[in-house]
Amino acid sequence: GIQVEQSPPDLILQEGANSTLRCNFSDSVNNLQWFHQNPWGQLINLFYIPSGTKQNGRLSATTVATERYSLLYISSSQTTDSGVYFCAGKETSGSRLTFGEGTQLTVNP
Amino acid sequence: EPEVTQTPSHQVTQMGQEVILRCVPISNHLYFYWYRQILGQKVEFLVSFYNNEISEKSEIFDDQFSVERPDGSNFTLKIRSTKLEDSAMYFCASSYLGPNTEAFFGQGTRLTVV
Repeated sequence: GIQVEQSPPDLILQEGANSTLRCNFSDSVNNLQWFHQNPWGQLINLFYIPSGTKQNGRLSATTVATERYSLLYISSSQTTDSGVYFCAGKETSGSRLTFGEGTQLTVNP
Repeated sequence: EPEVTQTPSHQVTQMGQEVILRCVPISNHLYFYWYRQILGQKVEFLVSFYNNEISEKSEIFDDQFSVERPDGSNFTLKIRSTKLEDSAMYFCASSYLGPNTEAFFGQGTRLTVV
């Protein structure tokens, strides 16, 4: 199966700062999703982005499928953005999403 | 907005007991999944289910586990004879047209085996 690597593993920001989270995958994917895991453990869908760029408010994501990476941008961060951000990819065959280890984001007031 | 619903949110069980985790996928979705997350670790795939049969399972999904869609709305994960290492958050997910489309996750069931 594919390997999914996320960086950085930990990130501490001051409120208002911008950040970029990266996800590298070892093989071609035809499903790529970003999630935010909140302090209660819920996985919140952020983006379904197998290729291209999408924006949703202060968040945006870009996937360059040919180069096997995806980026999640968070602008003007808020304390409520804190939590773990996961990317997950699915290789071209099969049905499983493979998750990365996550980026633990802490936004301080 | 439609969502995947899981019950219970937290279950404590004694080692060796059987547990059933329940999920109501989004109503028009056709593909269903179970994942688990051991505390502090990444989310791992367990099984996918389509057209009333398992389409893929991971090496974790051994004979201790089974899945069922007992009616038109529920999707269950049964763990027979639970072990301490089964303690984890279990997530149900569903997707509409298949694994190449967006999967939506439930809020999770935290299983604690004592």
